[in-house]
Amino acid sequence: QVQLVESGGGLVKPGGSLRLSCAASGFTFSDYYMSWIRQAPGKGLEWVSYISSSSSYTNYADSVKGRFTISRDNAKNSLYLQMNSLRAEDTAVYYCARISTGRYYFDYWGQGTLVTVSS
Amino acid sequence: QSALTQPASVSGSPGQSITISCTGTSSDVGGYNYVSWYQQHPGKAPKLMIYDVSKRPSGVSNRFSGSKSGNTASLTISGLQAEDEADYYCSSYTSSSTFVVFGGGTKLTVL
Repeated sequence: QVQLVESGGGLVKPGGSLRLSCAASGFTFSDYYMSWIRQAPGKGLEWVSYISSSSSYTNYADSVKGRFTISRDNAKNSLYLQMNSLRAEDTAVYYCARISTGRYYFDYWGQGTLVTVSS
Repeated sequence: QSALTQPASVSGSPGQSITISCTGTSSDVGGYNYVSWYQQHPGKAPKLMIYDVSKRPSGVSNRFSGSKSGNTASLTISGLQAEDEADYYCSSYTSSSTFVVFGGGTKLTVL
């Protein structure tokens, strides 16, 4: 069955960096676009970024553009999010999600990893 | 402020039906049939319940249905059950520079 397992979250100071990982299994990872979505404590969902199956295309929410970089390694069935210049408002649970082929919805989600930005 | 507008809360008794609205604009909900709905229980990951306005993924109960009229999409849950109590989020493709936008979420309470 499809599994997405995030890791790499933790406590980081403002201005610091963190790299999140998402290990995928149960499907042909290289066939799918993938995405990161976040949820601040007690708040709603916010789309962060997506990457195409071959890494040719990426897109970012305005709130993270220029600070976050999405990437993937299809040989390792892994998705990444490099987060730099972190701010308090980046504090959230970060979910890795699979984008259904050619569509605009997320059909599988990981359990999330918490990123806390605080001094 | 979320791009799509949902009521903060709705409630209903077991066996009843409820509807959650999701209002956007012609650049998102009204312009495309790419509305999806997600259910999220406390401390859990979101789960896809409806996609492409009204389609149900395999395994989702047929008590869940979706529709759209103009710039407003709706999720209807019939025959409410205790396990339906959760937060529900709508999402839509948007023609703006972003990919998709989410609603602010609706907390469903089963009385």
